Amino acid sequence: GQNIDQPTEMTATEGAIVQINCTYQTSGFNGLFWYQQHAGEAPTFLSYNVLDGLEEKGRFSSFLSRSKGYSYLLLKELQMKDSASYLCAVSDSNYQLIWGAGTKLIIKP
Amino acid sequence: GAGVSQSPRYKVAKRGQDVALRCDPISGHVSLFWYQQALGQGPEFLTYFQNEAQLDKSGLPSDRFFAERPEGSVSTLKIQRTQQEDSAVYLCASSLGDRGSGANVLTFGAGSRLTVL
Repeated sequence: GQNIDQPTEMTATEGAIVQINCTYQTSGFNGLFWYQQHAGEAPTFLSYNVLDGLEEKGRFSSFLSRSKGYSYLLLKELQMKDSASYLCAVSDSNYQLIWGAGTKLIIKP
Repeated sequence: GAGVSQSPRYKVAKRGQDVALRCDPISGHVSLFWYQQALGQGPEFLTYFQNEAQLDKSGLPSDRFFAERPEGSVSTLKIQRTQQEDSAVYLCASSLGDRGSGANVLTFGAGSRLTVL
C-alpha cells in the first residue's frame, strides 16, 4: 500500500528553527509537495521537490532524498503566524496525490 | 475569480437527506479535484475533472456520491441519502494544467463542512 508518515504534533519557540520530517512509500514518484493549513482554512502551497536536494524560499526550505523516501520542511525565524498544520503529499505514478495526515505545529512565545 | 469559492461553508443535514456542494474554481483552470478531509487528517481524494470530463472517480466512497462539471467550470458534489460517516470537510481544488503536468500546484477552496445528524 501507499503510505506517508509525518509526526502528529510538534512544539517550537518563536524565533527558533523547526524541522518537520516526512517519509513515504508510494508506487512511483512524480514529486513531493508541502502545504500549510491554518485551522478551518484552505491548504496553501509552500514547496515542490522532484529532484534530490534543498529548495530554499525565504524562511522556508524543503529537502528531498528520493533514495531514502524522505523529505523535510525547515522553518526558520519562527513567527506566531506559523502555527498551523503542515501537510506532506507525494504525486505517485498516476499523478495521484497521496497525503500525509499533517503535522500540527504549535509556536510558543 | 481570484480564488476557489465553495458554498455553503457549513451544512447540517439530517440522516437520509440529499446535499449539494458547489465549487467555483479559478477561471481558466483546467483541472478540478474534490477531496474529503476528516478532522486531524490529510485530504482524501474523491474525484478529478479535466475540463468537463470526469477522468478519475476512484475515490468516491459509494454510489451515493456523484460529481459533475458540465461546462468545465463550476462543479457540484452531490451526496444522496447522507449518513453520519459522511460528516467531514469537503475541499475543492483547481489547477492550471492537467494532473500529469509536472509541478501541478493546487489552489484550494476553504471547504464545505458537512455535519450529518
